[in-house]
Amino acid sequence: DADVTQTPRNRITKTGKRIMLECSQTKGHDRMYWYRQDPGLGLRLIYYSFDVKDINKGEISDGYSVSRQAQAKFSLSLESAIPNQTALYFCATSEPGFKAHETQYFGPGTRLLVL
Amino acid sequence: AQTVTQSQPEMSVQEAETVTLSCTYDTSESDYYLFWYKQPPSRQMILVIRQEAYKQQNATENRFSVNFQKAAKSFSLKISDSQLGDAAMYFCAYAPSAGGTSYGKLTFGQGTILTVHP
Repeated sequence: DADVTQTPRNRITKTGKRIMLECSQTKGHDRMYWYRQDPGLGLRLIYYSFDVKDINKGEISDGYSVSRQAQAKFSLSLESAIPNQTALYFCATSEPGFKAHETQYFGPGTRLLVL
Repeated sequence: AQTVTQSQPEMSVQEAETVTLSCTYDTSESDYYLFWYKQPPSRQMILVIRQEAYKQQNATENRFSVNFQKAAKSFSLKISDSQLGDAAMYFCAYAPSAGGTSYGKLTFGQGTILTVHP
């Protein structure tokens, strides 16, 4: 079984709709992240959480919100989807750097299309 | 703010040959980690290799090795004996170590698409 799972794997939605992308992990890591990938831009950090009570904005948080329901679950919401939020979204997890050299482990990605 | 630059949008190599992918970065931190991730058509992000900045020795993982030049802020990936399965998008990434202002956050380059010709 995969250590980091994302649901759904693909999603088509319409402008103005609220959608949620979910991430679950069985690695036991405290830290979780949400990234989006756009062609030519690499991956950019949306939000990150170092534990259940610690949530922080990343580079491009506008238009997004997150919820850390438990150590193993971290959800990303688009409150009112717009076409330029069409992208590939990744969830990742990690342990603190002194344990694991800042290595992040990624889920399989969610491809989102906003019409 | 840290930046990571991959100046080669695309590269190609013949099977069994060697190819080098370039990456430069900018940071004011003295201690950090650098990574290469591979993204095949399945879109899964796979860690290829990791380098700690405080280590002078270049990291190696089987056919993959890096040339880490700290003063030049350069971190290239060499793939030896290229195989068809190496075809993918490759991302260079930077993470500051504990105590850095961006502790725990990865900054990625734009990616390099590698094509392997049989």
